[in-house]
Amino acid sequence: DAGVIQSPRHEVTEMGQEVTLRCKPISGHNSLFWYRQTMMRGLELLIYFNNNVPIDDSGMPEDRFSAKMPNASFSTLKIQPSEPRDSAVYFCATASGVGKSYEQYFGPGTRLTVT
Amino acid sequence: AQKVTQAQTEISVVEKEDVTLDCVYETRDTTYYLFWYKQPPSGELVFLIRRNSFDEQNEISGRYSWNFQKSTSSFNFTITASQVVDSAVYFCALGPPYNTDKLIFGTGTRLQVFP
Repeated sequence: DAGVIQSPRHEVTEMGQEVTLRCKPISGHNSLFWYRQTMMRGLELLIYFNNNVPIDDSGMPEDRFSAKMPNASFSTLKIQPSEPRDSAVYFCATASGVGKSYEQYFGPGTRLTVT
Repeated sequence: AQKVTQAQTEISVVEKEDVTLDCVYETRDTTYYLFWYKQPPSGELVFLIRRNSFDEQNEISGRYSWNFQKSTSSFNFTITASQVVDSAVYFCALGPPYNTDKLIFGTGTRLQVFP
């Protein structure tokens, strides 16, 4: 079974541009998490979904960030407009809500650089 | 409040040495889960172990072992006979009893194993 798939793996954009990060969860996983990792702040949870519904978006830094999960197999994290301080590695992780399979499986991450 | 503390920011050892990574947690939940993740230089977070709060038995997996002590709220991770491939950042995390909720990650410990 394929793991969590994220695209693109690397993104370089100019300040003010819109950025869209994509995530395909592991089939059957019904919880999806977006994280941001920086040297200064470590690993931060931005938002998570359960059964495609956003449960907690308190980690979303500001209105420039938005996330959607239109179906069980796809999620996006959008930054508009992007700023240099948004430069980070963004991880998507998913977990199964069935039985004891609780651990989160992480994707390879998207390294975002905003110049 | 829920919190995970990894006081060791960085540890350096020479190959074949044993090394212990500390993790201390705070929670008011009586049931909870504890996790360790590994982040090698490639960047992807890899799940290592999950422990239920009711199971205080130590666990050993090859050169890896985990010591869970509820009395001290600690979940320490020991690597025996370390190898260069063990070089990574290791994260400890705390999870509530419901698998739809978020994990609380520590700040990570960077382990460098020198040949």
